[in-house]
Amino acid sequence: QVQLVQSGSELKKPGASVKVSCKASGYSFTANSMNWVRQAPGQGLEWIGWINTNTGNPTYAPGFTGRFVFSLDTSVSTAYLEISSLKTEDTAVYYCARYRYLDYWGQGTLVTVSS
Amino acid sequence: EIVLTQSPGTLSLSPGERATLSCRASHTVISTYLAWYQQRPGQAPRLLIYDASIRATGVPDRFSGSGSGTDFTLTISRLEPEDFAVYYCQQHATSPYTFGQGAKLEIK
Repeated sequence: QVQLVQSGSELKKPGASVKVSCKASGYSFTANSMNWVRQAPGQGLEWIGWINTNTGNPTYAPGFTGRFVFSLDTSVSTAYLEISSLKTEDTAVYYCARYRYLDYWGQGTLVTVSS
Repeated sequence: EIVLTQSPGTLSLSPGERATLSCRASHTVISTYLAWYQQRPGQAPRLLIYDASIRATGVPDRFSGSGSGTDFTLTISRLEPEDFAVYYCQQHATSPYTFGQGAKLEIK
């Protein structure tokens, strides 16, 4: 069965970086795009962007360019989201989700940014 | 960017009743590429409907989606206790693939 398993919670200081992983199983990793979605505490869902898992080409939503970077390691069927120069307002749960209509989701990774 | 506006923000109903949730887009959603998700507290969202009206695998048939252009609807025909949650629409036609702000379905 399709599964997306994300890395565990992170506590970071402002200015630091964090890298969240999303390991896929149960399907051909390069056959479906991977999206990233953010949910701040008590708030709605925000689409960060997606990465073409076949070509590695990323697309970022406005407001998520520069500090947010998607990458892949296709040898281990894993997608990554790296956020640099963390701000307190980056505190959120980050989800990976497969394909253009997000048919499977990871369990979420809580990133807390606090001094 | 396509802005999606969901209404009502909160809907209070009883089990067994019918729920109708609306999602209005600021511009035409091409090819009816609109999805609906359910999110229960503490859980990841779950895909219910994609391409406006196609139920995802394993979704009960009491959930149905309709609409085209700029107006879309999610209907739950007879509410079960587990249906009380937050619902989001998302357009997956034009980047950025924006979400609506969410609609909370609560028990009356």
